[in-house]
Amino acid sequence: QSALTQPPSASGSPGQSVTISCTGTSSDVGGVNYVSWYQHHPGKAPKLMIYEVTKRPSGVPDRFSGSKSGNTASLTVSGLQAEDEADYYCSSYAGSNNVVFGGGTKLTVL
Amino acid sequence: EVQLVQSGAEVKKPGESVKISCKGSGYNFSGHWIGWVRQRPGRGLEWMGIIFPGDSDTRYSPSFQGQVTISADKSINTAYLQWSSLKASDTAMYFCAYYDSSNWFDPWGQGTLVTVSS
Repeated sequence: QSALTQPPSASGSPGQSVTISCTGTSSDVGGVNYVSWYQHHPGKAPKLMIYEVTKRPSGVPDRFSGSKSGNTASLTVSGLQAEDEADYYCSSYAGSNNVVFGGGTKLTVL
Repeated sequence: EVQLVQSGAEVKKPGESVKISCKGSGYNFSGHWIGWVRQRPGRGLEWMGIIFPGDSDTRYSPSFQGQVTISADKSINTAYLQWSSLKASDTAMYFCAYYDSSNWFDPWGQGTLVTVSS
């Protein structure tokens, strides 16, 4: 299966909002509500930020939110903070016990 | 607290074999999936496969089927990822993670760097 499509980069100033998209197909993102998002600071373990499209694990700030429309899922970070600067990856269940990740988006806080 | 601790970095030559490990604690290891994810230098995350330690049911990404072997020993709460003949292109950081069938990985191990170089 092909990787999900994410923009390579995104940016925003402190306090602003930024949205990262994740585009797949009807066989993955569009067909299931099993989309998750991860924050990855280089050299550290990735961290789950959103699961099942919109749910936030305990401990994740409510500045992070997820949504989906058709074959595209989105992660929105509101009230950007310096510590939000990281790589972000989406993931979707792709049927037949397959999982697919997006190519990743580097978020820069200006 | 659910925790996954991976084995240390490996430096190998092409053609050599290696087996890296991921030890779980703080939960019923046998009753939950463990996944493996690759990150090549400068590249994104790639799903490799998952294993259910209770019965060793294993699912591989088509991209990794036949290239690696995922296994587990539930008696010592440890999952493994192994190669029989490494290639330079296997150089990467490898992460294990607790996998829920709703398609989320959390928590993750700290990662194991495998370097393959002649």
